[in-house]
Amino acid sequence: QVQLEESGPGLVTPSGTLYLTCAVSGGSISSNNWWSWVRQSPGKGLEWIGEIFHTGAANYNPSLKGRVTISLDKSSNLVSIHLTSVTAADTAVYHCARNVDAPMPTYFDYWGQGALVTVSS
Amino acid sequence: EIVLTQSPATLSLSPGERATLSCRASQSVGTYLAWYQHKPGQAPRLLIYEAFNRATGIPARFSGSGSGTDFTLTISSLEPEDFAVYYCQQRNNWPPFFTFGPGTKVDIK
Repeated sequence: QVQLEESGPGLVTPSGTLYLTCAVSGGSISSNNWWSWVRQSPGKGLEWIGEIFHTGAANYNPSLKGRVTISLDKSSNLVSIHLTSVTAADTAVYHCARNVDAPMPTYFDYWGQGALVTVSS
Repeated sequence: EIVLTQSPATLSLSPGERATLSCRASQSVGTYLAWYQHKPGQAPRLLIYEAFNRATGIPARFSGSGSGTDFTLTISSLEPEDFAVYYCQQRNNWPPFFTFGPGTKVDIK
């Protein structure tokens, strides 16, 4: 059973950088899956942030492109996200998720519980 | 960009009742639509993929239908644990991009 667990600082100052990791167990991040980050701002719905494949290929939500980087640490089986120049609008619960293994992965079959990040001084 | 809309925003029902949730896409997504259940503080749970396929371990009371632009998630008889927010989701082919609907909250009447 694949499990994903997000962790990182729960408070980030405005204009700072948000950094979270997602520990994957029960499976390898080097498998034939893309790995995504999805966030949910307070009182709002789900927003896809971006995805990465084990080759290093990545795709990002255009609304965040330029501020976000997703990376892999294969030795530790971790998926990470860096989001720079954060504002209060980046306050959200950040989930990592596994895209289904398919020629065209169109949905997410495993999710983490999420990590709340608050942007505040 | 394909936009997903969901209706109603809130559905107030009693246990044992039937729930019918709607998701509409701004252009055709074929059958590439998924449904998730989300409870506060928990991981979203995949219910239905590719419009009508139940995910592993999902009870038979959950069913999905539709194609093109109009989709439905039906819960045939609500159990107490089914009260949650439900999201539909699709993926753009190119550029690769996932979008979610705004959600339907199913709460206890």
